[in-house]
Amino acid sequence: GENVEQHPSTLSVQEGDSAVIKCTYSDSASNYFPWYKQELGKGPQLIIDIRSNVGEKKDQRIAVTLNKTAKHFSLHITETQPEDSAVYFCAAGGGADGLTFGKGTHLIIQP
Amino acid sequence: GAVVSQHPSWVICKSGTSVKIECRSLDFQATTMFWYRQFPKQSLMLMATSNEGSKATYEQGVEKDKFLINHASLTLSTLTVTSAHPEDSSFYICSALRAPNQPQHFGDGTRLSIL
Repeated sequence: GENVEQHPSTLSVQEGDSAVIKCTYSDSASNYFPWYKQELGKGPQLIIDIRSNVGEKKDQRIAVTLNKTAKHFSLHITETQPEDSAVYFCAAGGGADGLTFGKGTHLIIQP
Repeated sequence: GAVVSQHPSWVICKSGTSVKIECRSLDFQATTMFWYRQFPKQSLMLMATSNEGSKATYEQGVEKDKFLINHASLTLSTLTVTSAHPEDSSFYICSALRAPNQPQHFGDGTRLSIL
């Protein structure tokens, strides 16, 4: 089955700086890679996703890059703000399958 | 759009009780719904995949007689934890898929505490 590794487990950055979270996956059949933000006591909220036919996708301050050959994908958040503080999960899967999640990154934005 | 509602949000009950959790897609019909479990400070682990009108597919290691899933309509799936014990205490989260190759949308989870 799929295995997703996520690093780092904790990331602390100064407000206004950029944050980068990286994930690798094992199953070359995976073709869908979403990123979720989870706040305490809530369910995950989709923030951006990318499919295997695209190398990069951007939505305002958030971008995701995908390298299918190396089987890794990354989340980039620029101009970080206090409200970006949360746990971020990467995931990998197919079109109609359940997702395999990484272990999560606790992002802390220092004022 | 794409709102998924879970109920209840929090339940505390005695050991041996059966607990039912509902997952509803409020503004779309879901071809597939998924159930995940999340222990404190850990990741989400897929428990089962549920398609309307058919039996759920369980992940390896998940007891289907313990975690009963019913997907009676395109907007409702239920998870029943039967004869719950303290080790079943966890955060249970559902997600719904509008169509293949569409994003999964998650509910806000149900915190289950078994005394």
